[in-house]
Amino acid sequence: SQQGEEDPQALSIQEGENATMNCSYKTSINNLQWYRQNSGRGLVHLILIRSNEREKHSGRLRVTLDTSKKSSSLLITASRAADTASYFCATDSVSSTLGRLYFGRGTQLTVWP
Amino acid sequence: DAGVTQSPTHLIKTRGQHVTLRCSPISGHKSVSWYQQVLGQGPQFIFQYYEKEERGRGNFPDRFSARQFPNYSSELNVNALLLGDSALYLCASSHPNYGYTFGSGTRLTVV
Repeated sequence: SQQGEEDPQALSIQEGENATMNCSYKTSINNLQWYRQNSGRGLVHLILIRSNEREKHSGRLRVTLDTSKKSSSLLITASRAADTASYFCATDSVSSTLGRLYFGRGTQLTVWP
Repeated sequence: DAGVTQSPTHLIKTRGQHVTLRCSPISGHKSVSWYQQVLGQGPQFIFQYYEKEERGRGNFPDRFSARQFPNYSSELNVNALLLGDSALYLCASSHPNYGYTFGSGTRLTVV
């Protein structure tokens, strides 16, 4: 089964609003990453947060990590129509080798103009 | 610098046929991983190669095989294709200091 699970499965908001997506995982991790995917194309790396970090920012993105709850959240502020995409969290498990990421099913974000 | 390149971008095959997908990693990246993403799901790990050796394998049947060449490019081979093999196949190259970079994928349709 997949390591990470995103919530909600789908999110629909208006431009300018904030979008929050959550991710839960099962085992101890080295780091957690968020990716974006447009219409079934390749994955674009957004941000990586290490297991000893609690919060990280990159532009309009804010990621938090709570290792005690095995959960993470991705906040996109002031959303734009161009942010419409699927968003995936992926974990790099402590017990896995380099190159093996565990993905959730993703959150489909739709931003209406 | 070119990113991770995958070929072909799209492919249609018939059940029972064989397919070879190709991936060229970012220059300097020695690790290549393959993922399968079926519609509506997240990517699932298939293989990881590092320095031309298999370092990890996901829960996929023996019909799936891969190899990595001296220039660190990689091939994923799938034999005896089934309808359920229809998916987006993603390749990622990685470096311990720089993380993962994914290619745009190969869309395989089995009819």
